[in-house]
Amino acid sequence: DTAVSQTPKYLVTQMGNDKSIKCEQNLGHDTMYWYKQDSKKFLKIMFSYNNKELIINETVPNRFSPKSPDKAHLNLHINSLELGDSAVYFCASSHRTGGIGTDTQYFGPGTRLTVL
Amino acid sequence: QQPVQSPQAVILREGEDAVINCSSSKALYSVHWYRQKHGEAPVFLMILLKGGEQKGHDKISASFNEKKQQSSLYLTASQLSYSGTYFCGTAQAAGNKLTFGGGTRVLVKP
Repeated sequence: DTAVSQTPKYLVTQMGNDKSIKCEQNLGHDTMYWYKQDSKKFLKIMFSYNNKELIINETVPNRFSPKSPDKAHLNLHINSLELGDSAVYFCASSHRTGGIGTDTQYFGPGTRLTVL
Repeated sequence: QQPVQSPQAVILREGEDAVINCSSSKALYSVHWYRQKHGEAPVFLMILLKGGEQKGHDKISASFNEKKQQSSLYLTASQLSYSGTYFCGTAQAAGNKLTFGGGTRVLVKP
């Protein structure tokens, strides 16, 4: 029944560790996204994939590496975690029609990452 | 550059109306509106495309004035369920990413 799902929902870890967040969508969409929402609630796009191809790669530290094994999955791996990485990370998906600027995005429940 | 939303917060009594504005310094192709409740994911409300059309979703409607590079979201006869943070996301072209505003917190009281 779930449309866009993420695991884990909460992630608490120490500085310097490496962690991954997984995202899956069962909507049949071909475009997926990673967003970061900081403590001030600003929602910023990090990456986007269309049919497993990276189409948006914002100015994000190269410690963040997305990977899309297939259209329905988009994972985010973060190396050497820093305090400033603490945020809520949202995965989203959309069906490409006129372009990502016109497509409706459906968000997952989010992963709250806390780096200690 | 991210769009600017105003006001930053608004408190309403059930049944009252409110307007949330979203302004950009650059020409816009589309404006998307989302509502996020505390601890939850943003939920899509509506999208407005270049052309100045007005859309509605229950008693929530929106307009898009492309000349003024702004959109307004209208909450009419507000209900308790309207509480949350409203975000506008804008794109300058059909193929461009969405850039979100800072959000407007809405609290509807009984």
